[in-house]
Amino acid sequence: NAGVTQTPKFQVLKTGQSMTLQCAQDMNHNSMYWYRQDPGMGLRLIYYSASEGTTDKGEVPNGYNVSRLNKREFSLRLESAAPSQTSVYFCATNRASNQPQHFGDGTRLSIL
Amino acid sequence: EDQVTQSPEALRLQEGESSSLNCSYTVSGLRGLFWYRQDPGKGPEFLFTLYSAGEEKEKERLKATLTKKESFLHITAPKPEDSATYLCAVQASSGGSNYKLTFGKGTLLTVNP
Repeated sequence: NAGVTQTPKFQVLKTGQSMTLQCAQDMNHNSMYWYRQDPGMGLRLIYYSASEGTTDKGEVPNGYNVSRLNKREFSLRLESAAPSQTSVYFCATNRASNQPQHFGDGTRLSIL
Repeated sequence: EDQVTQSPEALRLQEGESSSLNCSYTVSGLRGLFWYRQDPGKGPEFLFTLYSAGEEKEKERLKATLTKKESFLHITAPKPEDSATYLCAVQASSGGSNYKLTFGKGTLLTVNP
C-alpha cells in the first residue's frame, strides 16, 4: 500500500514559472488537503477538498489553485511562482473530518 | 483564533531518561487533539487522537494525555529511534471549517545513546 503519493519530490522553479504538484491516495478516503511547512512555522492549510467535486480555501490560499480530479487525486497549481512560495508542500487525506489525517512525504519546492 | 503552543522547542535526552512534551491550546470548543511524529525529509506520521479531557492513549514508550487546556506526550525510557519532531494539532468544533487543523511548531526531540 502506497498510502499518499506526492510527485515530484523535489523541484526548482524560476520566478514566474507555473507548476502543478500532484497527490494521489489509495486509502479510499473522502477528504484531501494541501499544506505548506516553513521553518519556524507550523503546517498551514492552503486548500482542502471535503469530498469529490468540492474544494475550499484554507488559511493561506493566495497564489494557489487546486483541482480534485477524482476521489483519488488532488492537485495544487502555482500559476506564477514567487520566491515566497519556496516551501515544503504536503498532501494529506482522511476518511472524515474528525478522523486523523495521513500525510505524504512532501514536495520540496524552491523558487529562485 | 485557535492557537497551539508546544514546549520546549527542542529537548535533548539520554537514552532511558523519561520526559514529557507539552502542547497548550486555545480553541473555541475542542473537537479533537492530534499528535504526530515527523522524521527529517518525511511527512508527519499519526500517533494519537484525544477527544475529551481525561482521555489517555498509549503506544509503546509513548503516552498522550489531555486536559481542558493542554496535552502532554510522555516518553518513557526513550531510545535513539524516538528522535524526531513531535507535532500537536487541534481541531475546533465551532466556527469556521470542521476540516481545519491548527498545528503547533513542534518539539525537536533528540535521544542520545
